[in-house]
Amino acid sequence: LAKTTQPISMDSYEGQEVNITCSHNNIATNDYITWYQQFPSQGPRFIIQGYKTKVTNEVASLFIPADRKSSTLSLPRVSLSDTAVYYCLVGVNSGGYQKVTFGIGTKLQVIP
Amino acid sequence: DAGVIQSPRHEVTEMGQEVTLRCKPISGHNSLFWYRQTMMRGLELLIYFNNNVPIDDSGMPEDRFSAKMPNASFSTLKIQPSEPRDSAVYFCASSLGLAGAREQFFGPGTRLTVL
Repeated sequence: LAKTTQPISMDSYEGQEVNITCSHNNIATNDYITWYQQFPSQGPRFIIQGYKTKVTNEVASLFIPADRKSSTLSLPRVSLSDTAVYYCLVGVNSGGYQKVTFGIGTKLQVIP
Repeated sequence: DAGVIQSPRHEVTEMGQEVTLRCKPISGHNSLFWYRQTMMRGLELLIYFNNNVPIDDSGMPEDRFSAKMPNASFSTLKIQPSEPRDSAVYFCASSLGLAGAREQFFGPGTRLTVL
């Protein structure tokens, strides 16, 4: 079970790019990296998932270096509505069951 | 689709009482997760069902907690007897497939307060 480490909290001003890095030193060959976002009083929601290099969608980008021991979630030009907790998870997305853990996440506070 | 439905949204009860939380997963999803969220411990997986069968209940804190999934469209999480330390937000999530890293769709949660 790959363990992840991410900062507990981050602050950013509106309009800035925010990068949240997650460490997963013992990631396995078949593991994917997934990020979720949780707004207050809501359940988490899937943002992005990747295996290597770079993945981009309408919400965020995910950068994964060649050794895959870390990953960076990039949020372009954040607004107040991006204030949320962001979770990094590592695990397989096919084949047999593997428990994945959300942990505490990174609390991002966007400041006006 | 209505998404994952949980009821009740809020529950306040007294210590020692039985509490039953309910979940209706997204139609067609064959995996269902129950989570508990607290400030101190974050989001913890309690139990995972696949095709209505419990696969991983290693996160169930103790015998006071039990979960069932009698069919593909309904699951319950029961706490009996409840204690103040059970106060938390309980989330149900569903997904397609067996692996935990497949996208999970979460319900709105049930905020439980045990007095």
